[in-house]
Amino acid sequence: GQQVMQIPQYQHVQEGEDFTTYCNSSTTLSNIQWYKQRPGGHPVFLIQLVKSGEVKKQKRLTFQFGEAKKNSSLHITATQTTDVGTYFCAGQTGFQKLVFGTGTRLLVSP
Amino acid sequence: NAGVTQTPKFRILKIGQSMTLQCTQDMNHNYMYWYRQDPGMGLKLIYYSVGAGITDKGEVPNGYNVSRSTTEDFPLRLELAAPSQTSVYFCASSYGAGIQPQHFGDGTRLSIL
Repeated sequence: GQQVMQIPQYQHVQEGEDFTTYCNSSTTLSNIQWYKQRPGGHPVFLIQLVKSGEVKKQKRLTFQFGEAKKNSSLHITATQTTDVGTYFCAGQTGFQKLVFGTGTRLLVSP
Repeated sequence: NAGVTQTPKFRILKIGQSMTLQCTQDMNHNYMYWYRQDPGMGLKLIYYSVGAGITDKGEVPNGYNVSRSTTEDFPLRLELAAPSQTSVYFCASSYGAGIQPQHFGDGTRLSIL
């Protein structure tokens, strides 16, 4: 079955440093979504990418969808303590249901 | 706007007991989902529904049952609770499949002792 892996599993940065998480699918995706889950909270939708090579920005967050539509990345510039949480990608193949990635947990020290 | 509401928020069960986790949404979404999240892990799909009267298995359906009699409600039933079912359970809904974002409830933290 379809698998979606994320690296790294965990990253600890100092406030102000950049952060990147990578998402890799075993199959070609029709679209990918990104979610953020704060500690003790529930996943919250951030963005979706549909087109090959697509790049979208939300303030300090930059999302990319790979040319082959099998990988994606989330880059945070100048992290803040409010960025703490686990970031999940979720990919869909055709009309299949979303498959969530393994997640990257981000810890930001002030 | 309530969104997706789950009850209870916390529950402790004894091995072999049964319970129903409630989920209701007020966004008139057709699609609803149940996930479980073990500590430090990702989300695994248990069951999903594409509309009232239609349900299907996800990745980890064993030990669970669902029903969807209305658009709003999607309860998850645990029969004969086992320690391996200790987890956080999230209900989610979406207007459609895939390209539509999923909206999650606050979760039910369930411990089986």
